[in-house]
Amino acid sequence: GAVVSQHPSWVICKSGTSVKIECRSLDFQATTMFWYRQFPKQSLMLMATSNEGSKATYEQGVEKDKFLINHASLTLSTLTVTSAHPEDSSFYICSAIGLWDEQFFGPGTRLTVL
Amino acid sequence: AQRVTQPEKLLSVFKGAPVELKCNYSYSGSPELFWYVQYSRQRLQLLLRHISRESIKGFTADLNKGETSFHLKKPFAQEEDSAMYYCALRKDGANNDMRFGAGTRLTVKP
Repeated sequence: GAVVSQHPSWVICKSGTSVKIECRSLDFQATTMFWYRQFPKQSLMLMATSNEGSKATYEQGVEKDKFLINHASLTLSTLTVTSAHPEDSSFYICSAIGLWDEQFFGPGTRLTVL
Repeated sequence: AQRVTQPEKLLSVFKGAPVELKCNYSYSGSPELFWYVQYSRQRLQLLLRHISRESIKGFTADLNKGETSFHLKKPFAQEEDSAMYYCALRKDGANNDMRFGAGTRLTVKP
């Protein structure tokens, strides 16, 4: 089946720094990708919808200036957490829609901000 | 707005017993309903979707529009079914986002 990868799988950074997370569809093209966030013992929460070649659509309450999303190609979307703070520590998961309308999820990236 | 409710955070059954994971939704249009499973330390993966009406790993789920439910069932649970299960809803249209329930952690005891 289709595979979505994320890089890095985990990252630790200092407060105030920026972190970029990549999401790639490895064997298919995805015009739409999604970014989710998962707090411990909680469900996935949609952060934004990433559309290739256009601006991302953010969910209510998600700061677009803090979580920068770039979907520059049909196989790559990036999420940059700018000026990260400890409260941004979380598990970030991306997904991409494949050929048959199925949504494929990446393995996730664990971000820890010290 | 669409909403997905999974009333049970934890569900524990013995091996061989039937299991039902509940999911209710609210959406005024024609939704697509999904069940995703996340095994320990693994990525989220699709278990089944209502439009395909198939049985995966012995699990089935029927969309009941009258009760707005999409409960996941398996007649005989196995230990390897222990995982986190998420019910999800997508509005009609391929590129619409998915809304997830809070998830139910299923534990199948030997």
